[in-house]
Amino acid sequence: DAKTTQPTSMDCAEGRAANLPCNHSTISGNEYVYWYRQIHSQGPQYIIHGLKNNETNEMASLIITEDRKSSTLILPHATLRDTAVYYCIVRATLNTGTASKLTFGTGTRLQVTL
Amino acid sequence: DGGITQSPKYLFRKEGQNVTLSCEQNLNHDAMYWYRQDPGQGLRLIYYSQIVNDFQKGDIAEGYSVSREKKESFPLTVTSAQKNPTAFYLCASSLRGWNTEAFFGQGTRLTVV
Repeated sequence: DAKTTQPTSMDCAEGRAANLPCNHSTISGNEYVYWYRQIHSQGPQYIIHGLKNNETNEMASLIITEDRKSSTLILPHATLRDTAVYYCIVRATLNTGTASKLTFGTGTRLQVTL
Repeated sequence: DGGITQSPKYLFRKEGQNVTLSCEQNLNHDAMYWYRQDPGQGLRLIYYSQIVNDFQKGDIAEGYSVSREKKESFPLTVTSAQKNPTAFYLCASSLRGWNTEAFFGQGTRLTVV
């Protein structure tokens, strides 16, 4: 799986948009970009994933650049409960049609403040 | 309710003892995974299984063993050969398809004294 690079930490004021960047310059054509978050001492929670088009769900938006070498996770109105570590992962599709293992980096620690 | 369950939440063992961590899912997922997390670190893959009776080593399999006799269950044994077993252990499951997300349990915090 391609490696990802994320900032170690970020701050965001409550009510503002949180934009979390991720670089994945070695991503290949069959690799999806996934985002998870982990609140302290809990299991990671799936947020969103995409291949090349921008995606939006009830939690967040995912913007993937045209060359797919980077992406941004957007939390449109951050709340204190969004304070967590956010992981950007790229995940390949195997020839068998199954998904490959998820490989986590160290993520970005997002602190939402009043 | 559908989900993935790890038990127990906290586990204490004496050094030199083997210990087995439970992971059960009722999501009808084929694939299951075990991760280890140390303080301030990301998740590292121990073992994963794409189908019943088959599993592969992850990045840090030494000192661990698994079995996958049933689709719903993927227990992890931490053996006495694991040099630093104290950690937070997370189990996950997913469909085998190419466009699927993984669901995680709430973890087991193992402390070896």
